[in-house]
Amino acid sequence: GIQVEQSPPDLILQEGANSTLRCNFSDSVNNLQWFHQNPWGQLINLFYIPSGTKQNGRLSATTVATERYSLLYISSSQTTDSGVYFCAVEVTGGGNKLTFGTGTQLKVEL
Amino acid sequence: GAVVSQHPSRVICKSGTSVKIECRSLDFQATTMFWYRQFPKQSLMLMATSNEGSKATYEQGVEKDKFLINHASLTLSTLTVTSAHPEDSSFYICSASTSGANVLTFGAGSRLTVL
Repeated sequence: GIQVEQSPPDLILQEGANSTLRCNFSDSVNNLQWFHQNPWGQLINLFYIPSGTKQNGRLSATTVATERYSLLYISSSQTTDSGVYFCAVEVTGGGNKLTFGTGTQLKVEL
Repeated sequence: GAVVSQHPSRVICKSGTSVKIECRSLDFQATTMFWYRQFPKQSLMLMATSNEGSKATYEQGVEKDKFLINHASLTLSTLTVTSAHPEDSSFYICSASTSGANVLTFGAGSRLTVL
C-alpha cells in the first residue's frame, strides 16, 4: 500500500516562530488533506489540497503532486497551534479511504 | 458544516465484555463511514469501511468477528468490540462522507479502556 511519511516527527517552537511541515507519499493520489489533532483527540480538517496552494489565515499549504509531496506552513505560531499534524491521502480510485501519515507532534511554547 | 457525533467519548469495561460505539452524522446523510483506531503516540489506522445497507469491508489484519460494524441507516454506524481484552484499549475514531464529497468529517473519538 501507499506509504506516507511526515517530517519532522517532533517540533518545538517559540511562540511567534514560523515552521514548515512536510508530507511525502509514495504513489499518485487524488486527495490529500491536512489535519490538526488537538490534545483531546479531535481531528480538525485544515486543508483539502490534492494540488496547488491554499491559504487560510496563518496557515498555508502547497502540494506538488507530480513530485509526491505536500508542505504545511505555520506562521506566527501560537500555543493553540500545539498538537499533532497529520496529512492523509487517498490513492486514485480509493473510494475516500484515507491513509494517514506518521504525524508531526508540534509544541509551541511561550 | 457537516457534523459527526460519536458516543461514548470514554468507556471503561472489564475484560471479556462487549462495548458498542455509535457514530452519527447529524446534518447530512453518510453513504460511507470509516472506522479508525489510534494507539498512543501513533497514527490513525483504518479498520473498516461501512456502506449503508451492506456489509463492512475490513482492512487486512482486522478481525471482522471481533469488531462488528453495522451501518443500518444513512446517519448511524456502530462499532461493537466483542469480548474485549486489554490490548483492544485504544482511541476509536469514525468519519463519514456523503456521495461525491472529497472531504471527510471526523467524530471526536471514543477512548476505550479494557481492564
